[in-house]
Amino acid sequence: EAGVTQSPTHLIKTRGQQATLRCSPISGHTSVYWYQQALGLGLQFLLWYDEGEERNRGNFPPRFSGRQFPNYSSELNVNALELEDSALYLCATRPEELAGIRETQYFGPGTRLLVL
Amino acid sequence: RKEVEQDPGPFNVPEGATVAFNCTYSNSASQSFFWYRQDCRKEPKLLMSVYSSGNEDGRFTAQLNRASQYISLLIRDSKLSDSATYLCVVNMSGTGFQKLVFGTGTRLLVSP
Repeated sequence: EAGVTQSPTHLIKTRGQQATLRCSPISGHTSVYWYQQALGLGLQFLLWYDEGEERNRGNFPPRFSGRQFPNYSSELNVNALELEDSALYLCATRPEELAGIRETQYFGPGTRLLVL
Repeated sequence: RKEVEQDPGPFNVPEGATVAFNCTYSNSASQSFFWYRQDCRKEPKLLMSVYSSGNEDGRFTAQLNRASQYISLLIRDSKLSDSATYLCVVNMSGTGFQKLVFGTGTRLLVSP
């Protein structure tokens, strides 16, 4: 069974540009979570999508946004890039049907974004 | 106080040693707990779930102390391949929303 996939693996942008990151969940997984992991910091929760809707967001400005498509894949958009947006962006998914307190999340390999 | 706190390390141990990591959490209502392993420049991968009675998987033992609000991970007979960062993760879910809070990780270096 294929795991969570993300693209691109690396992305280089300049300040002020926009970045689009993509995530495809494990088959049968309907919830998608996005995290930011800056160098030396822990994972910070960004966004949660389920059934095509944004269900919750972390403490990030509105220039971080995204969407979820009918096939449950997801896109993260970062507008007006700033230098401190340079980080590893991780997507994680989990199955909704079996979700419970012990169910956890499975991560994709991440997109490493560098803003120059 | 951080929601999840870990000693960042690094813990430098020789092969074959036993090493233990602790993690404390702030929310006494937290329901489930996990240890993830993250290799350099890679994604986190689930190592173990931590259940109320503690659990063991080969050389790895995880324990939960709800009264003191900490979880621990014990690694016996360390291997070179155990070198990684170990993330403590606490499920602080609300209604319909699974909120996983990650510690910043404890780095383990196992040397020959």
